[in-house]
Amino acid sequence: DVKVTQSSRYLVKRTGEKVFLECVQDMDHENMFWYRQDPGLGLRLIYFSYDVKMKEKGDIPEGYSVSREKKERFSLILESASTNQTSMYLCASSRYSYEQYFGPGTRLTVT
Amino acid sequence: SQQGEEDPQALSIQEGENATMNCSYKTSINNLQWYRQNSGRGLVHLILIRSNEREKHSGRLRVTLDTSKKSSSLLITASRAADTASYFCARVQGAQKLVFGQGTRLTINP
Repeated sequence: DVKVTQSSRYLVKRTGEKVFLECVQDMDHENMFWYRQDPGLGLRLIYFSYDVKMKEKGDIPEGYSVSREKKERFSLILESASTNQTSMYLCASSRYSYEQYFGPGTRLTVT
Repeated sequence: SQQGEEDPQALSIQEGENATMNCSYKTSINNLQWYRQNSGRGLVHLILIRSNEREKHSGRLRVTLDTSKKSSSLLITASRAADTASYFCARVQGAQKLVFGQGTRLTINP
């Protein structure tokens, strides 16, 4: 079974802190994605990566950056967390344009 | 918006009944996918239907695709309490990205 793991299920951070969300997949997938999910707004793509050290902006990249140094690991970085970044963050991976496999999500609260 | 639109936004039925959810989209597709999300969890892939397919089955799930109407439907037959979840359709945009709809929240009442 494909497994996508995220470093934390719940996270509470203060405004202005630098936040790292880690995602690891074990199926040698080329593509990895970071989404945020908010009530009434659905899933919105923040960044994705189709290869090591490659990244592409999604629909809402502002306030975020990403890092992919190894194929299995994709990190989302909030350089200076703000309250409007309180959300559920979902990581996913896929091979080409086929189905995506999601991690369990990280519920981030910024106070 | 380029997102798909699911209809209805919420659906509540009795256990054992069938549940039908619809998805519309605006641009051409290579494939369309359906996902399920249990409360507070990640999404789980259910089924993928390609643009040259009209219908696909997987257990109690049946997905149809009408590319002329740019719409798809997901039918869950003989619903169970465990089917309570949100269901999303998603279409491929570009080479790898998926664009998700807003989702249908399905509640199965015992």
